Amino acid sequence: AQKITQTQPGMFVQEKEAVTLDCTYDTSDPSYGLFWYKQPSSGEMIFLIYQGSYDQQNATEGRYSLNFQKARKSANLVISASQLGDSAMYFCAMREGTFGNEKLTFGTGTRLTIIP
Amino acid sequence: NAGVTQTPKFRVLKTGQSMTLLCAQDMNHEYMYWYRQDPGMGLRLIHYSVGEGTTAKGEVPDGYNVSRLKKQNFLLGLESAAPSQTSVYFCASSYSGAQETQYFGPGTRLLVL
Repeated sequence: AQKITQTQPGMFVQEKEAVTLDCTYDTSDPSYGLFWYKQPSSGEMIFLIYQGSYDQQNATEGRYSLNFQKARKSANLVISASQLGDSAMYFCAMREGTFGNEKLTFGTGTRLTIIP
Repeated sequence: NAGVTQTPKFRVLKTGQSMTLLCAQDMNHEYMYWYRQDPGMGLRLIHYSVGEGTTAKGEVPDGYNVSRLKKQNFLLGLESAAPSQTSVYFCASSYSGAQETQYFGPGTRLLVL
């Protein structure tokens, strides 16, 4: 079974609109972490936001917020007021495992295109 | 502070040739990782290291070897390259494994003919 599922291979969004990128996960570990990374066309992976499984509040970082619904096992990324520079691939990832044996599993990504 | 650097940026190999990819980080991170990225498959973990002198297998370790002789360096070796190893390789590091962000290098594009 897929540990991280991103069901939207591609999305087109008008500039200045908000956008939600979906991510669902599967784990039996009580302690885990969820990450979102951005990969622009230049290829580098840029960390955006992190949510721990025990965090009570949804994580926010500037225009990025993570809509964490633990019971549904979803960790959607919300980008407010999208900009042309937001066009990129976005990857959801999950950290699980015990100390010294932790691994990060990535989803297949969503390609976001912002339309002027 | 260069962060995470990877050498080389691009390489073409013939089937059966060997090569080593070098990853270096100057952030004093304990953990280092090697991933490969293939179209439509996201990133997959090849090997990782939780400290100097230690390595462990990830999700797709076959055909690769690694070494972590110095804390700041993590080497990925291909002993006998195969076309299936054509990919983009990313190195990453983090201060510790728990609750820590991984910082990525710029990637190495490898083509095996």
